[in-house]
Amino acid sequence: QSVLTQPPSVSAAPGQKVTISCFGSDSNIGNNFVSWYQQLPGTAPKLLIHDNSKRPSGIPDRFSGSKSGTSASLGITGLQTGDEADYFCGTWDSNLYAWVFGGGTKLTVL
Amino acid sequence: QLQLQESGPGLVKPSETLSLTCAVSGDSTTTIKNNYYWGWIRQPPGRGLEWIGIISYGGTTYYNPSLNSRVTVSGDTSRRQISLELISVAAADTAVYYCVTTVRVGNSIYIDFWGQGTLVAVSS
Repeated sequence: QSVLTQPPSVSAAPGQKVTISCFGSDSNIGNNFVSWYQQLPGTAPKLLIHDNSKRPSGIPDRFSGSKSGTSASLGITGLQTGDEADYFCGTWDSNLYAWVFGGGTKLTVL
Repeated sequence: QLQLQESGPGLVKPSETLSLTCAVSGDSTTTIKNNYYWGWIRQPPGRGLEWIGIISYGGTTYYNPSLNSRVTVSGDTSRRQISLELISVAAADTAVYYCVTTVRVGNSIYIDFWGQGTLVAVSS
């Protein structure tokens, strides 16, 4: 059971937009920054978004992040088949004094 | 850019100790910054990510409460290596183990670099 809750899967057609949600609580998302990670098949995860909405160098602006209260979202526009991956949200939990992840969302580009 | 390389046995017997090492190379300025933490994350086959723990440059450690009694993360800044020890392993500890670096500045904390991962199976 993950501390953060994500939908197990989402799907959309190439060129379309998709949003992946991440729900938490006051002790994690509510009071800390959220980051997002992309894990392509057979590879290690990669940082996609940090501090709720900031993109590291090299991440296309098709990827965006936002946070409101105790939930966060990852948006991907102009979907490409190469975006098919697992996406994880994560943040620090101030009660557990530990990092927590969502269970991951598998994106399928139909 | 940092490179992280995990190493260690790919097979451990139940009840024994899992020991892994991570060698850090690349940007030396980054690796010794006080706001950088080094640590470990694991991923059982076909499942999600589980955070194990991190260690700061000064030696402060934070662990996953569910693993706290069995895990030790240690670091050798002079050799630019970090280590993971997990005692009394069972089949549920079978996973790909990733070495990671974590940035922490004020309220901002995120995992920025990941090693390629090493699969450790627990089996007799």
